[in-house]
Amino acid sequence: AQRVTQPEKLLSVFKGAPVELKCNYSYSGSPELFWYVQYSRQRLQLLLRHISRESIKGFTADLNKGETSFHLKKPFAQEEDSAMYYCALFNGAQKLVFGQGTRLTINP
Amino acid sequence: EAGVAQSPRYKIIEKRQSVAFWCNPISGHATLYWYQQILGQGPKLLIQFQNNGVVDDSQLPKDRFSAERLKGVDSTLKIQPAKLEDSAVYLCASSFNQGRSSGGTIYFGEGSWLTVV
Repeated sequence: AQRVTQPEKLLSVFKGAPVELKCNYSYSGSPELFWYVQYSRQRLQLLLRHISRESIKGFTADLNKGETSFHLKKPFAQEEDSAMYYCALFNGAQKLVFGQGTRLTINP
Repeated sequence: EAGVAQSPRYKIIEKRQSVAFWCNPISGHATLYWYQQILGQGPKLLIQFQNNGVVDDSQLPKDRFSAERLKGVDSTLKIQPAKLEDSAVYLCASSFNQGRSSGGTIYFGEGSWLTVV
């Protein structure tokens, strides 16, 4: 069965510090992985996807098939990064499966 | 481009009552999704439509939940009778098409917050 695990429900770092939000998945096929973000009082929206190999708002994520991980990283956190972050897996049944989410708080 | 529209935004009902949520997806989006998000959890897919046909409703509690998308555009999600554990945010989302060409990029509405008392 497909599963996405985000081990940290809450993560708090200081402004300017590096950020890493962990995501592990279980999936027997070739996964497509995504990070979605929800800022306060806004709708859930796509942040980035692994196939694009892009950096969005300074965030990057590398798919590690050996460790079945897709951690989200940013070298220098900013206050506006405070939000809920969801890791998601797109499976062969065309379904997007979400993790439980991590609430990131950036302290000034 | 207008986003996914949902109504009502908030609803409080007593258990055993019924409630209906409405969703208007982004114009041209063939795939429509209803997700349930319970407080502290990630969104869980309830039902997925491709045009007006159901693609996946494996996690929809069919004894009390129903959904339709009659003309392949708007959709309604109904709960009857509601239980306390149905308290959640109901998210509607849409994507241009189903499958990997859409890349898992789906666009969410603001959600309909349901409280069952």
